[in-house]
Amino acid sequence: GAGVSQSPSNKVTEKGKDVELRCDPISGHTALYWYRQSLGQGLEFLIYFQGNSAPDKSGLPSDRFSAERTGGSVSTLTIQRTQQEDSAVYLCASSLGGGDTEAFFGQGTRLTVV
Amino acid sequence: GESVGLHLPTLSVQEGDNSIINCAYSNSASDYFIWYKQESGKGPQFIIDIRSNMDKRQGQRVTVLLNKTVKHLSLQIAATQPGDSAVYFCAEISNAGNMLTFGGGTRLMVKP
Repeated sequence: GAGVSQSPSNKVTEKGKDVELRCDPISGHTALYWYRQSLGQGLEFLIYFQGNSAPDKSGLPSDRFSAERTGGSVSTLTIQRTQQEDSAVYLCASSLGGGDTEAFFGQGTRLTVV
Repeated sequence: GESVGLHLPTLSVQEGDNSIINCAYSNSASDYFIWYKQESGKGPQFIIDIRSNMDKRQGQRVTVLLNKTVKHLSLQIAATQPGDSAVYFCAEISNAGNMLTFGGGTRLMVKP
């Protein structure tokens, strides 16, 4: 597709279960970001991939959170042993990389932990 | 740590009036700034950007002003319309690391 695609669009899971969120960036984009947005709040940075460089994981809130980016394209954000405070919209963005390029966002995955 | 922040969490304007949304940043190493608009239930969408070697850039009905002396960024929307109602975020990319960092957001409400 032409834009950033995220799946699923909505996910309801039970507390303690693991979840995987998927992001398909725009083809050719070397930079990929994950953000978390709680209701009515701003964007909280989670992790940043740039090409073949080691990802910047400084925003991951705990060791229950991890992310991979396979082949420089698709990325998966995994949350283990989900907690209710993990409920939020998880947004993915991609860009061509470099210091002055626009990042394009997906529609997000709304995660609800019950 | 260094961050990008906003002065006003909510701005209410009358349809047809001009809107000004402000953002203060503290990372002097940032050299690229972007304004995003986020409508309810959607991801942020690019509105306009500006590089640090500029102090003003105009788009269609929108203008971004950058004051590096006081580290202040603003978004001006002319003749605000109901469709402009959304949350607006400023974001910055530093010249080290190229990471996109967001401010806290301002909700713009347009009254008919």
